[in-house]
Amino acid sequence: EAQVTQNPRYLITVTGKKLTVTCSQNMNHEYMSWYRQDPGLGLRQIYYSMNVEVTDKGDVPEGYKVSRKEKRNFPLILESPSPNQTSLYFCASSSNRATNEKLFFGSGTQLSVL
Amino acid sequence: KQEVTQIPAALSVPEGENLVLNCSFTDSAIYNLQWFRQDPGKGLTSLLLIQSSQREQTSGRLNASLDKSSGRSTLYIAASQPGDSATYLCAVRDNYGQNFVFGPGTRLSVLP
Repeated sequence: EAQVTQNPRYLITVTGKKLTVTCSQNMNHEYMSWYRQDPGLGLRQIYYSMNVEVTDKGDVPEGYKVSRKEKRNFPLILESPSPNQTSLYFCASSSNRATNEKLFFGSGTQLSVL
Repeated sequence: KQEVTQIPAALSVPEGENLVLNCSFTDSAIYNLQWFRQDPGKGLTSLLLIQSSQREQTSGRLNASLDKSSGRSTLYIAASQPGDSATYLCAVRDNYGQNFVFGPGTRLSVLP
């Protein structure tokens, strides 16, 4: 089954404790992206990647890191989480090769930073 | 920079009504446009994708149209049902970086 898998689904942590949210897709997609969603602010892009070893900042990259060493994986790293990073996070992927390729989303990670 | 807006922000209708959701974008150089549905606390599910060369797409009770030159798309939902209650977002994929830009969404409530 074609899917984007994020883990964990829920995460509670404390300020300053490094964490990684994993994202994996099984569709051989070139494009992958991370978003955060906050009430009243909608979906905001954090980082995106057009292909392996190619990453670019989105609208709200501060406090986040990403890497794209393999095509299927695109982890989101918070080196020193702060309470303002409490949010619902989504990973998404798509192909770059055709105009009719949809954007597929993971189920989301609800992060709380205390 | 591409900007996407959606009107209305929220909509409440009685069951059975036909309704239209609107999406506007500022740069017509798009690769494609997608409409998504999101239930509270859940991920986004793609409903319809319209390629830049197409005018409309249909799936069941849903019909999406695209007027690229005027920077507009509409999502038409026929015979609405309470199960259609959700937030609907549109997103364009731009021709330059081929990145996705999302609108803020329309929150739809269909009352029994």
